[in-house]
Amino acid sequence: SQKIEQNSEALNIQEGKTATLTCNYTNYSPAYLQWYRQDPGRGPVFLLLIRENEKEKRKERLKVTFDTTLKQSLFHITASQPADSATYLCALGDGGATNKLIFGTGTLLAVQP
Amino acid sequence: EAGVAQSPRYKIIEKRQSVAFWCNPISGHATLYWYQQILGQGPKLLIQFQNNGVVDDSQLPKDRFSAERLKGVDSTLKIQPAKLEDSAVYLCASSVQETQYFGPGTRLLVL
Repeated sequence: SQKIEQNSEALNIQEGKTATLTCNYTNYSPAYLQWYRQDPGRGPVFLLLIRENEKEKRKERLKVTFDTTLKQSLFHITASQPADSATYLCALGDGGATNKLIFGTGTLLAVQP
Repeated sequence: EAGVAQSPRYKIIEKRQSVAFWCNPISGHATLYWYQQILGQGPKLLIQFQNNGVVDDSQLPKDRFSAERLKGVDSTLKIQPAKLEDSAVYLCASSVQETQYFGPGTRLLVL
């Protein structure tokens, strides 16, 4: 069955450093991959989408890579700030007519001032 | 632009009782999703609507869960009867293309 793995342990980093989150998957060939941010008590918020034919995508301090051979995506936040502290979810999309998403369990990022 | 609205925000019920959640998607979004998010896990899709038709309900426990989307706009998700393991956050989302926009969720506690 399809499986998505994200760092199960919280990631603690110092303000100003680059945070790197990992998303690995098996038994799946997604057409695209998305990253969402979720704050406590709130719904996920879309951050970035990267398609299977793209290697890298950037948006301000965010960078996503997608390696379909390794079946892995890396999510980077450069010059991290305490306000970046949240849970980050990766989601795989099948690209079919339904645009169905399968979510990972998320990684909790804590940026210390 | 208004976001996805959900109500209630919190609900506490006893097992075997029934409960209903309401969702109003972003105006113009044809696709609506209901997810269940158990603490410490990612959202799990329960049901997906395209306009007022169901396109995927493969993970909906149909013996106790039901959902409808009348007139292709608002949607209601019902649980009857509730079990302890239904304690979770129920998220509604809507989309135009690949990007999904989520509501704040309804936190359900079943005692």
